[in-house]
Amino acid sequence: DAKTTQPPSMDCAEGRAANLPCNHSTISGNEYVYWYRQIHSQGPQYIIHGLKNNETNEMASLIITEDRKSSTLILPHATLRDTAVYYCIVRVNLGGGADGLTFGKGTHLIIQP
Amino acid sequence: DTEVTQTPKHLVMGMTNKKSLKCEQHMGHRAMYWYKQKAKKPPELMFVYSYEKLSINESVPSRFSPECPNSSLLNLHLHALQPEDSALYLCASSQPGQGSSSYGYTFGSGTRLTVV
Repeated sequence: DAKTTQPPSMDCAEGRAANLPCNHSTISGNEYVYWYRQIHSQGPQYIIHGLKNNETNEMASLIITEDRKSSTLILPHATLRDTAVYYCIVRVNLGGGADGLTFGKGTHLIIQP
Repeated sequence: DTEVTQTPKHLVMGMTNKKSLKCEQHMGHRAMYWYKQKAKKPPELMFVYSYEKLSINESVPSRFSPECPNSSLLNLHLHALQPEDSALYLCASSQPGQGSSSYGYTFGSGTRLTVV
């Protein structure tokens, strides 16, 4: 799986858009970008994933650059409940796969009231 | 049912005790996982079961013994643990080869283990 780089922490004001960057300059053509988050003392939660095109669901939007070397997760209207560690993971899409997810250090997003 | 259920939520055990962690899912997933997470660190993969067979063991000490009695259940048997084994133990499940499933891996809330 390609290596990812994320800032260790970010702050965002409640109600504003939170933009979380991820660099994955060694991503290969068959690797997807996945985002998970982990709220304190809970299990990681799937947010969104994408290959080339931008993706949107009820939780977030994922913007992937044209060269696919970086991406941004956008939480459009952050709330206090979005305070969590956000993990960007690059891997071949095996669907659920059977080889486990490898987590990097992630970004600790703190939403300020 | 779209959940992975882990019991107990909290466990305190002595170094000479034997205990077990339990994980259950009824989503029909055929791959199940154990992760260990120390404070302020990302989860680390310990074991993977695929179709009830152990497929990955990430060089975990033998004092941790996994068991998959059927496709819905995953246990982690603990014996002679050390205080440094205190951590959050997470269980997850997935469906191998599901293509571009939007769900990927589903995690439980974990068991907070303290070894005294």
